[in-house]
This record gives sequence, structure tokens and C-alpha cells, in this order.
Amino acid sequence: GNSVTQMEGPVTLSEEAFLTINCTYTATGYPSLFWYVQYPGEGLQLLLKATKADDKGSNKGFEATYRKETTSFHLEKGSVQVSDSAVYFCALSDRVTGGGNKLTFGTGTQLKVEL
Amino acid sequence: GAVVSQHPSRVICKSGTSVKIECRSLDFQATTMFWYRQFPKKSLMLMATSNEGSKATYEQGVEKDKFLINHASLTLSTLTVTSAHPEDSSFYICSARQNGRLYNEQFFGPGTRLTVL
Repeated sequence: GNSVTQMEGPVTLSEEAFLTINCTYTATGYPSLFWYVQYPGEGLQLLLKATKADDKGSNKGFEATYRKETTSFHLEKGSVQVSDSAVYFCALSDRVTGGGNKLTFGTGTQLKVEL
Repeated sequence: GAVVSQHPSRVICKSGTSVKIECRSLDFQATTMFWYRQFPKKSLMLMATSNEGSKATYEQGVEKDKFLINHASLTLSTLTVTSAHPEDSSFYICSARQNGRLYNEQFFGPGTRLTVL
């Protein structure tokens, strides 16, 4: 079956530091890949996505590249801010015919950015 | 746009009682909604897919009679935890898929914290 593995947190960084959160996946076929972010007290929000190999998703300074050869979708940001403190979830959606599009999530990685 | 609300945000109940959680898409129609359960430091586990006007599709291992889902309109799905027990205590999150979008992105609610005493 499908699975997503994320690096365990929490990750604590100083402001303006470089961020990498690793994500690898196992899936049949050609899944779409996502990063979701959950700020304290809020629901999950889509941060970025990539739907095919070598696609790069980007948003708010965050980037992730769909690497089929390494089955990875690592999240990066060049300079984090305190406001980036949140929990980040890597997820995949299998392209099931019939409209399934179920999401499989990783365990989430908590990021804390300090001044 | 694409806002999903959940009510209540927190609920505490006694063992043996039933609890209903509402999930609403506020500014769009959603034929399909999803219910997830999140344990501390664990990923979101899909419980069931809720389809407007038809029966929900439950994931393996999820008790249908325990977790009743009703999706009576294009903007509302409800999850009822029947005869709740302490092991049902968890964070329940819903999401909704917007009709008509080229890409079937899911929009998530803020979650409901259920504590069963």
C-alpha cells in the first residue's frame, strides 16, 4: 500500500536559517505529492504540490521537487521566519479512477523558528 | 474562499453518550467530504469518505456503526460517535473537495478535539 515517511521533529531553527524537511514515499503508479501546513489552532492548508516527476512546487518561499528516482519530495526554504512555525505534513494522492483521490499523510514535522 | 468549518471545536462527554460533529463548506459546494482522525504525534488517518446523497465509504478497520456519517447536503457532513468510550478520544478533522475544480484539492477544517471521560 501507499505510505509516506517524514523526518521526525521537532525541528528548531533560528530565524533566517535554511530549512529542509525530508519526505520519502512508497506508492503504486504515479502519485501526486503535497505539502500541507498546520498553524496552531488552525486546519491544514495546502502549501504546495507537484503532480508529476521533476515538477517543482513552490509557494511562500518554500520549494519541493518531485524526485521519482529517489521517491522523495523534500521541503526546503532558504530563510525561515518565526511565522513559519507550524506542523508540516507531506502527503500523496494516488490517482485512483472513480474519483477516489485519497490522501495518505506522513506523521508531520513540527517546526519552531526562534529569534 | 474555500473555507471549511467544524463544530464544535472541542467537546467533552461522558462514556456511553453520543457526540455529533459538523463539517461545513462555507463558500463552495462539496459532493465529497472526508473524515480523518489524528492521534498525538501521528499522521492523519482517513476514516471514511462521505458522499452527498449516498452512503459513506469506510476505511478498513473503521466501525460503521460506531462512526455514523451523514452527508445530507452539498455543504454539510456530520460524524456521530455513538456510545463513545475513552479510546475514542482524539482529534477529528474533516476536509471537503470542491465541485467543479479541475484539480480535486481538499480543503480542511480546523478539527474537533473529542475527550471522552
